[in-house]
Amino acid sequence: AQSVTQLGSHVSVSEGALVLLRCNYSSSVPPYLFWYVQYPNQGLQLLLKYTSAATLVKGINDFEAEFKKSETSFHLTKPSAHMSDAAEYFCAVSGYSGGYNKLIFGAGTRLAVHP
Amino acid sequence: NAGVTQTPKFRVLKTGQSMTLLCAQDMNHEYMYWYRQDPGMGLRLIHYSVGEGTTAKGEVPDGYNVSRLKKQNFLLGLESAAPSQTSVYFCASSYPTYAGENEQYFGPGTRLTVT
Repeated sequence: AQSVTQLGSHVSVSEGALVLLRCNYSSSVPPYLFWYVQYPNQGLQLLLKYTSAATLVKGINDFEAEFKKSETSFHLTKPSAHMSDAAEYFCAVSGYSGGYNKLIFGAGTRLAVHP
Repeated sequence: NAGVTQTPKFRVLKTGQSMTLLCAQDMNHEYMYWYRQDPGMGLRLIHYSVGEGTTAKGEVPDGYNVSRLKKQNFLLGLESAAPSQTSVYFCASSYPTYAGENEQYFGPGTRLTVT
C-alpha cells in the first residue's frame, strides 16, 4: 500500500532563505507524486506533480521538487522564500485502494516565513 | 469555468441537527471526493464516487452519507450532527488516467461547527 511521510509539521525560514520541505513515500509501483499548497482559509492548489517524465519537476511560484527513487523522496524546494509563501504544504501519492485510484496525503507541513 | 464549488461556505449546527453540503464541478470529471481536515491530521477521505450513481466509503465514513445522482454534483449529508464533526470539509474531483495519475482539483471548503 502507498503511504506518505512529511518530516516536520512546522518549518520556519527567514525571507530570502532556502525553503526545504521533506516528503518520503512508499509505493510498490512507480509512483505519481504531488505537492499541494493551502493558503489560509482556502482550498488546496496544485504546486507541481511528478508523472515519470523528468525527475526534477518545476512548479508554480519558483517551487521545484526532485524525485529520487533510491531515497524514495520527493522534497520540495524554493531558492528564496517570500512572505507570501507562508502556507500549509501537502505531499501526496496516487495509489490504488479498494480497486480505485485515490490520493494518499501526508499530514502536512506548515511553513512560516519571517522578515 | 468555475472548477469545483461548495455550498455553503460556513455553517453552525446544533447537536442532532441535519444538513447537506453540496459540491459541484464543471470539468466533466468522473471521480469526486469528500474530505475532512482537522488540525494535525491532514486530509482524511470520508466518501468518494467513481461515477454517477456510485459511491464508496473512505477512511472515516461513520456519521456521513453521500449521493451522486448527477455526474457534476456530489452531496454530503450529516443526519444527526455531533460535535466531533466540527471540521473543514473539502470536495475534490479528478479524472484518473489509466496509468494511475490522479490529480485532484479542490473546492474552497466548508467550515462546519457543531455545538
